[in-house]
Amino acid sequence: KAGVTQTPRYLIKTRGQQVTLSCSPISGHRSVSWYQQTPGQGLQFLFEYFSETQRNKGNFPGRFSGRQFSNSRSEMNVSTLELGDSALYLCASTLGGSYNEQFFGPGTRLTVL
Amino acid sequence: GENVEQHPSTLSVQEGDSAVIKCTYSDSASNYFPWYKQELGKRPQLIIDIRSNVGEKKDQRIAVTLNKTAKHFSLHITETQPEDSAVYFCAASKGGGADGLTFGKGTHLIIQP
Repeated sequence: KAGVTQTPRYLIKTRGQQVTLSCSPISGHRSVSWYQQTPGQGLQFLFEYFSETQRNKGNFPGRFSGRQFSNSRSEMNVSTLELGDSALYLCASTLGGSYNEQFFGPGTRLTVL
Repeated sequence: GENVEQHPSTLSVQEGDSAVIKCTYSDSASNYFPWYKQELGKRPQLIIDIRSNVGEKKDQRIAVTLNKTAKHFSLHITETQPEDSAVYFCAASKGGGADGLTFGKGTHLIIQP
């Protein structure tokens, strides 16, 4: 079974631009979560989608948004990019119930100049 | 919201010795505590997890203990090997992880030959 995939793997943007990242979960997984990883703040939860609905949201500004499609693929969007948005963005998929392992993708490395 | 503190930030041990990483959490409603290992340039991978109705869980050289009263959980690695060198993250969640994971800041484990 193929693992979680994320595209693109690397991205360079300038301040003020917007960006869209994509995540394809493991086949059969219905939940996708997004995390931001930075050296200073570590791994921080952004939001989680299940069956096309956002179920949970972390403490990030409204510039960060996401969506999930009927095939469980998910996208996250960051508008009006700031230098501090430079990070590794990881998505993780799980079956969707409780106590199920979250499988992480390889991440998208976003650099904002 | 939940807050997870992790110590130490760096841990250096001799090959063959044991390593212990400790985490505390703030939300008494948290009921799921996974541990992830992240090697340099790779995605986080689950190594062991524990539910709040269990005090201890072991998998070969890895064990996790949970003290709900003190809101404290620990990772124990025995007979450490060079391949154990990595960053280890603890996490906590309510709803069995279905509502997103709150991570500690990570411990860089260095195994000295």
